Amino acid sequence: EVQLLESGGGLVQPGGSLRLSCAASGFTFSTYAMTWVRQAPGKGLEWVSAISGSGGSTYYADSVKGRFTISRDNSKNTLYLQMNSLRAEDTAVYYCAKPTVPTTADAFDIWGQGTMVTVSS
Amino acid sequence: SYELTQPPSVSVSPGQTASITCSGDKLGDKYACWYQQKPGQSPVLVIYQDNKRPSGIPERFSGSNSGNTATLTISGTQAMDEADYYCQAWDSSRGVFGGGTKLTVL
Repeated sequence: EVQLLESGGGLVQPGGSLRLSCAASGFTFSTYAMTWVRQAPGKGLEWVSAISGSGGSTYYADSVKGRFTISRDNSKNTLYLQMNSLRAEDTAVYYCAKPTVPTTADAFDIWGQGTMVTVSS
Repeated sequence: SYELTQPPSVSVSPGQTASITCSGDKLGDKYACWYQQKPGQSPVLVIYQDNKRPSGIPERFSGSNSGNTATLTISGTQAMDEADYYCQAWDSSRGVFGGGTKLTVL
């Protein structure tokens, strides 16, 4: 069964840092580009960042560029999101998502359960 | 930056057809997809590449995309279809989501 399991969320003060992880199973992780999507409480979905299967190409939303870093460890089948200089507006559930085919620009057929990040003093 | 616009809400009676639109500049030149999200749950893909249904998605879900508008159509809407629906496309290697549409079945 194809699964994604996020972890690492929690409460952090403004200006702080947090690293999210997404453990993948049930598919050949290294061949798929992967994406992070977030959803603020009561709001819609927001695309955050994506990374190619090899990790050589990364993409960011303007709202997180320069503060967040996406990476992956294909030997561990794990996707990461390092979040620095966190702001209140980064408060959201963070999902990792897998595309239907091994490219960046495709729909997401598998989503994790999400991990909550709360930025507050 | 590229934007996708959806109506905030759509209402439909059980058994009737619901249509949810998603508008964006030359959206028809891109692939559009649609997600269903129920409260407290992760999104579920219901349409991809404009009009394809993933395995397990009922045939009453269909999609189209032309010009500046993509449309999700739910035929014979059921109470279980009440949810938030989001369209999504890609622009310059970055994902873009619509603001979401709350579908009410009443």
